[in-house]
Amino acid sequence: KAGVTQTPRYLIKTRGQQVTLSCSPISGHRSVSWYQQTPGQGLQFLFEYFSETQRNKGNFPGRFSGRQFSNSRSEMNVSTLELGDSALYLCASSFTRGDATGELFFGEGSRLTVL
Amino acid sequence: QKEVEQNSGPLSVPEGAIASLNCTYSDRGSQSFFWYRQYSGKSPELIMFIYSNGDKEDGRFTAQLNKASQYVSLLIRDSQPSDSATYLCAVTNTGANNLFFGTGTRLTVIP
Repeated sequence: KAGVTQTPRYLIKTRGQQVTLSCSPISGHRSVSWYQQTPGQGLQFLFEYFSETQRNKGNFPGRFSGRQFSNSRSEMNVSTLELGDSALYLCASSFTRGDATGELFFGEGSRLTVL
Repeated sequence: QKEVEQNSGPLSVPEGAIASLNCTYSDRGSQSFFWYRQYSGKSPELIMFIYSNGDKEDGRFTAQLNKASQYVSLLIRDSQPSDSATYLCAVTNTGANNLFFGTGTRLTVIP
């Protein structure tokens, strides 16, 4: 079974630009979560999508947004990039059943550098 | 905001020893607790999860949870050099996949 696939793996942007990251979850997984990982803050939750609906949202500004498609693939977008947005963005999929927290399977991440 | 605290380490243990990793959390409403392992340059992978007070064993790994003390730990018995990685503690409320992670403890197992 294929794992979580994230594209692109690496990208460099300049301040003020926007970026779109893509995530294909494991087949059959309907929950997709996004996390930002930085050396200082560690892993921080951005948002979770389940069946095309945002189910939870972390404490990030509105410049960070996402969506999920009917095939469970997800994208996240960051607009008006700032230097502090440089980070590894990790996508995780989960086969969530009912009210149980599912095991998160992480992709390899998209490393964003903002210059 | 749920806070999860871990000793950043590095924690060094000799091969074959027991490695003890600790984590405290601030939200008493936390219901689910996870330990993830992250090798350098790789993504996190789940090692253990625990929901109830007490111990849970899986091979060389034992997770311990004490909700009254808001404390969760991971013991690695017979540590191997391949266990060298950063170990992340994560907590959440049941029913949510928005995990709150600690910043991780870097473990080095010395051959």
